[in-house]
Amino acid sequence: DAGITQSPRHKVTETGTPVTLRCHQTENHRYMYWYRQDPGHGLRLIHYSYGVKDTDKGEVSDGYSVSRSKTEDFLLTLESATSSQTSVYFCAIRATSGPPDEQFFGPGTRLTVL
Amino acid sequence: KNEVEQSPQNLTAQEGEFITINCSYSVGISALHWLQQHPGGGIVSLFMLSSGKKKHGRLIATINIQEKHSSLHITASHPRDSAVYICAVRLGPIQGAQKLVFGQGTRLTINP
Repeated sequence: DAGITQSPRHKVTETGTPVTLRCHQTENHRYMYWYRQDPGHGLRLIHYSYGVKDTDKGEVSDGYSVSRSKTEDFLLTLESATSSQTSVYFCAIRATSGPPDEQFFGPGTRLTVL
Repeated sequence: KNEVEQSPQNLTAQEGEFITINCSYSVGISALHWLQQHPGGGIVSLFMLSSGKKKHGRLIATINIQEKHSSLHITASHPRDSAVYICAVRLGPIQGAQKLVFGQGTRLTINP
């Protein structure tokens, strides 16, 4: 699992409240990603990071912000949660230290916005 | 139209059958990934391919870059193979941040 944890694993919140999801890795990987998974859409990239304080947008970044102040943590923030952000959120890392060059996924966070 | 199309969306088979899941894509890619998502939700990487064929145990993945098509085969299928299989294509250069575009997945059920 490349030492990836996500917290919380489940969260129920109300529309308009801020929410922060945390992704933590223990193996010093440079590249980290946040995806959301929804029925009928598959996994979609929200934001990604290519180093400390270096982040960029993915295809569904509206309503989300990220921060990476240290290598091991990548935070995803919903400033004002909406019902359309109800989803399962996956963090992933790209392992480049040896073959195969692949992405490893965290266990996921199920977020429900009421 | 999605950039990555998988077929079939759902597949039910009997234990022991040979399984094929297909993935077609419409963009230039640097690699293609096959992932497995278990009923509990965890996602595991099975293969990364940029050409040819790879085999791990009973799983075989092939890719035809010219035809923009990949297949995942499972030989001697078993109920524990029941999962969602996801194809993802990697855009952008080999070096640097990978961006993956995912298919919607194929839900495979193997009955004993």
